[in-house]
Amino acid sequence: GQNIDQPTEMTATEGAIVQINCTYQTSGFNGLFWYQQHAGEAPTFLSYNVLDGLEEKGRFSSFLSRSKGYSYLLLKELQMKDSASYLCAVQDSNYQLIWGAGTKLIIKP
Amino acid sequence: ETGVTQTPRHLVMGMTNKKSLKCEQHLGHNAMYWYKQSAKKPLELMFVYNFKEQTENNSVPSRFSPECPNSSHLFLHLHTLQPEDSALYLCASSPGLAESYEQYFGPGTRLTVT
Repeated sequence: GQNIDQPTEMTATEGAIVQINCTYQTSGFNGLFWYQQHAGEAPTFLSYNVLDGLEEKGRFSSFLSRSKGYSYLLLKELQMKDSASYLCAVQDSNYQLIWGAGTKLIIKP
Repeated sequence: ETGVTQTPRHLVMGMTNKKSLKCEQHLGHNAMYWYKQSAKKPLELMFVYNFKEQTENNSVPSRFSPECPNSSHLFLHLHTLQPEDSALYLCASSPGLAESYEQYFGPGTRLTVT
């Protein structure tokens, strides 16, 4: 079967760094997406990885290792507005998105 | 502003009611999606349309009936729902299907079935 695993909840301190991990087992691989979803709002696109390595975009970076079926999202200089759920999704061989259950990130002052 | 709008934002309906959810995208995309989001569960893909044609129906019960009159509009018709159907229903769109396009989501309709 197809499966995406990510931690249910994480807590971090304002100004710090946090890494959210995602492991996957899917039928084929055409890329991995990270989305951010604030409570009561739509998910919004953060990053896309299809090749191994690190993609950096401002305070957010995303890493992919296809051989290990593993990705992480790194958030630096955390701000209170970063409190949200972070969704990992893998595009399978049919270009269907397989979603994780999301990681709720709580930022404390 | 995501370019994808959904109405209504909140809906409470009884199990014998019939209602419809509406989604509209202003992005010129060709593919549209319906997802169900329940607390602490992964997003569940329900239906996919590409150029108005349904390409995916993930074993969704017949009490959910989609309609896509054109590439910009998507409806989800609801009838005789069950309490376990209470969830957030998200609409999304993307430029196409067979590429690694990001999906753009609407704000969702929070549905409560009583």
